[in-house]
Amino acid sequence: DVEMTQSPLSLPVTLGQPASISCRSSQSLVYSDGNTYLNWFQQRPGQSPRRLIYKVSNRDSGVPDRFSGSGSGTDFTLKISRVEAEDVGVYYCMQGTHWPRTFGQGTKVEIK
Amino acid sequence: EVQLVQSGAEVKKPGESLKISCKASGYRFTSFWIGWVRQMPGKGLEWMGIIYPGDSNTRYSPSFQGQVTISADKSISTAYLQWSSLKASDTAMYYCARGMTTLDYWGQGTLVTVSS
Repeated sequence: DVEMTQSPLSLPVTLGQPASISCRSSQSLVYSDGNTYLNWFQQRPGQSPRRLIYKVSNRDSGVPDRFSGSGSGTDFTLKISRVEAEDVGVYYCMQGTHWPRTFGQGTKVEIK
Repeated sequence: EVQLVQSGAEVKKPGESLKISCKASGYRFTSFWIGWVRQMPGKGLEWMGIIYPGDSNTRYSPSFQGQVTISADKSISTAYLQWSSLKASDTAMYYCARGMTTLDYWGQGTLVTVSS
């Protein structure tokens, strides 16, 4: 299985400050069709996960533009430009290139 | 509007069987893969497997192969996850979600509790 390693696992952030989460894969996530199937999800407390980003950097409809995704190959980043209270939760990366699909361990974002 | 509505919470005893459901609406059910994701209490997300309702093509994570069965009924736009003999370690929240390379829409989750 492709291992997805997130860091940090816990991220205390001051409101209005930026936050950054890293996700590294044990193999390249570039698929034979040229696409890189790296996704980011947000899970707020008590809620189902919600997709934020797909194919590395494509933001879902309704996702605030303070969220951005970047990276290539095996190294990816989710950035929040200015953290708001509603951003508290756990963030997961997931690769959709290799079978089986795999998630990172999750990064818990909390307000300092 | 795409919706995935899952069946309600279940409380079962070890050794019992169970089938939970995920009813899709708002899109062509047979044209998109649907997957299942496990979340054990206080833990992260685990991808279990996926089915293409159009032809019932199914792929499982090796971690779940042989432990669960994923199926779908095209006539009622519903996907299923089933166990033949539950264990206490199957206690978890189970989510269905749409997609093969991604998971763009998610159900609300079904809590399965297995306890003697």
